[in-house]
Amino acid sequence: GAVVSQHPSWVICKSGTSVKIECRSLDFQATTMFWYRQFPKQSLMLMATSNEGSKATYEQGVEKDKFLINHASLTLSTLTVTSAHPEDSSFYICSAPISYNEQFFGPGTRLTVL
Amino acid sequence: SQQGEEDPQALSIQEGENATMNCSYKTSINNLQWYRQNSGRGLVHLILIRSNEREKHSGRLRVTLDTSKKSSSLLITASRAADTASYFCATDDSGAGSYQLTFGKGTKLSVIP
Repeated sequence: GAVVSQHPSWVICKSGTSVKIECRSLDFQATTMFWYRQFPKQSLMLMATSNEGSKATYEQGVEKDKFLINHASLTLSTLTVTSAHPEDSSFYICSAPISYNEQFFGPGTRLTVL
Repeated sequence: SQQGEEDPQALSIQEGENATMNCSYKTSINNLQWYRQNSGRGLVHLILIRSNEREKHSGRLRVTLDTSKKSSSLLITASRAADTASYFCATDDSGAGSYQLTFGKGTKLSVIP
C-alpha cells in the first residue's frame, strides 16, 4: 500500500531555534498534503493544507509566519517551525491523499522544545 | 475546524467483550472514516463508510452511519488486548470539495487481558 514517511520521528530543540519536518509520499505523487498537530490526549487539529507549486492554506488561528510550509515537489512537503517555543511542543502528523476517499498518514514527528 | 465528537471519551473493557464507540458530526458529508492510533504513533485507516451506506463490516469491525442524525458508531467485537488504542472518526465536508478531513476528539479504548 501507499506509504507516507516523516522525518525526523522525534526532535528536541532549544527555545528560539527552528525545526524542519519532512513529509514524503514514497510511492505516489501528492499535489496536496495536510499538516496536523496533536496535543497529548487530544485529537488531530488541521493546521494547513500544503499545495504543490502554490502557497499553503492555513487554518484559522495558525500563524503562517511561524509554521512555514513548502511543497517543493510532488512527493515532498516540509513544515518548518520557526523560533520554536515550549508551547509548540506537540505531535505533528502529515497526510497525503491518494484519491478522494483514501488518505495516508505519516507516522508523526514528536517535537519537544526545551 | 473540529466538528466530530466521540463518546465515550474513554472506554475500558475486558478482553472478549464488545466495544462500541460513537461519533457525531455537523456538516453534510460524502463519507465517514474511522482511524486507530496507538499511543504516540501515526494513524491507521480502519474503515470508510459512504454517505449512502448504512452499515459496513470489516473483520471484527462493524460501522453504522445515520446521516439523518449525523452520527456513526464503531463496534469492535470480541476485543483483544491488542485493540487497545485511541479511535477517531473523520469526516469530509461535501460542500468543501476538497480532501480535507475533520477529526473527532477520539475514544481511548483499553482492553484488559
